[in-house]
Amino acid sequence: GQNIDQPTEMTATEGAIVQINCTYQTSGFNGLFWYQQHAGEAPTFLSYNVLDGLEEKGRFSSFLSRSKGYSYLLLKELQMKDSASYLCAPTPDSNYQLIWGAGTKLIIKP
Amino acid sequence: DGGITQSPKYLFRKEGQNVTLSCEQNLNHDAMYWYRQDPGQGLRLIYYSQIVNDFQKGDIAEGYSVSREKKESFPLTVTSAQKNPTAFYLCASSNPGISYEQYFGPGTRLTVT
Repeated sequence: GQNIDQPTEMTATEGAIVQINCTYQTSGFNGLFWYQQHAGEAPTFLSYNVLDGLEEKGRFSSFLSRSKGYSYLLLKELQMKDSASYLCAPTPDSNYQLIWGAGTKLIIKP
Repeated sequence: DGGITQSPKYLFRKEGQNVTLSCEQNLNHDAMYWYRQDPGQGLRLIYYSQIVNDFQKGDIAEGYSVSREKKESFPLTVTSAQKNPTAFYLCASSNPGISYEQYFGPGTRLTVT
């Protein structure tokens, strides 16, 4: 079966760093997406990891370990606008489907 | 500007009525998807289409129907057979063969009373 596990909610302070973890079990694996979703809005693309390691993009970085079925999203220098849900979505096979986690709601406090 | 449009943003219907949600894209993407999102939950796939005139059921297709007569359009009908239709509905598209990335429309919030 397919399973994705993310924390339901996290709280962090403006200006700090937060790491959002995602573990997954899928039948086959091609890569893993992270999307950001503000309340009432559509998800927007943040990152896509195919190979093991860390990919950095400005204040956001994403890490993947294929052997461990594990990824994390690292957000630095947190801003109030980073308050959103963060969705982990592995791509399990070749038909281009994404399997969506329930998301982690990140609350930023001043 | 290329993108995906969904209309309307908010939709209200009485129980027992069918309702059709529109989704149009001008990204020239072959694949299109419909998701349902309930509060505090992830996206659940209703239907997807990888080519015109062809579509497949997702995980929660019961009570829904779709058509794909044009590449740009993928309307979703929520029928009266859907037991809990109130939800946030998201349409997405992608370009298989080039990228797995899915691009989303702004969503339609359907309320059935």
